[in-house]
Amino acid sequence: GAVVSQHPSWVICKSGTSVKIECRSLDFQATTMFWYRQFPKQSLMLMATSNEGSKATYEQGVEKDKFLINHASLTLSTLTVTSAHPEDSSFYICSLIAGYNEQFFGPGTRLTVL
Amino acid sequence: KNEVEQSPQNLTAQEGEFITINCSYSVGISALHWLQQHPGGGIVSLFMLSSGKKKHGRLIATINIQEKHSSLHITASHPRDSAVYICAVRVTGNQFYFGTGTSLTVIP
Repeated sequence: GAVVSQHPSWVICKSGTSVKIECRSLDFQATTMFWYRQFPKQSLMLMATSNEGSKATYEQGVEKDKFLINHASLTLSTLTVTSAHPEDSSFYICSLIAGYNEQFFGPGTRLTVL
Repeated sequence: KNEVEQSPQNLTAQEGEFITINCSYSVGISALHWLQQHPGGGIVSLFMLSSGKKKHGRLIATINIQEKHSSLHITASHPRDSAVYICAVRVTGNQFYFGTGTSLTVIP
């Protein structure tokens, strides 16, 4: 199966600053990656689909100017939370589909905005 | 109403017990996934099913497409099985719907 890493695993930042989260596919070239957000005690919510070399597709209600996604290579997608606020504090997870339509998840990034 | 419903939401079991987690869905699917999320947050895919039954070690997953229902069974449960188990269905293309998860605690 594919191995997916995320960096950082945990970040604390001040309100108003921007935070970049990296998602790397270590052994698979992924033209598509997915970004999810998970609030405590809730399920995963798809934020956007990241497409290599083109614009990301955002889910309804997700601000594309606030959550900037860049998928510059087949092994790296980045999510930048701009002007972060406490309500953006959440667990952010990326994933990709490889093999026989199997989904592989990154370990997640826990963001806390003070 | 959620497209994917799981039950129970929380489950506590004694070590060694047989455990069943249920998942019902209301949409047409191409595949159903069972995921395991440990307290640290990392998610591991346990099974991907489109029909029938799969077994991996002490884990068994079944799906009934006609009834739109799947079950995840854990035999001889162990404290290390404590985690949140999430049912996810894949509809068209890359679209997934996720259940809210079942939090399992296995007590020694």
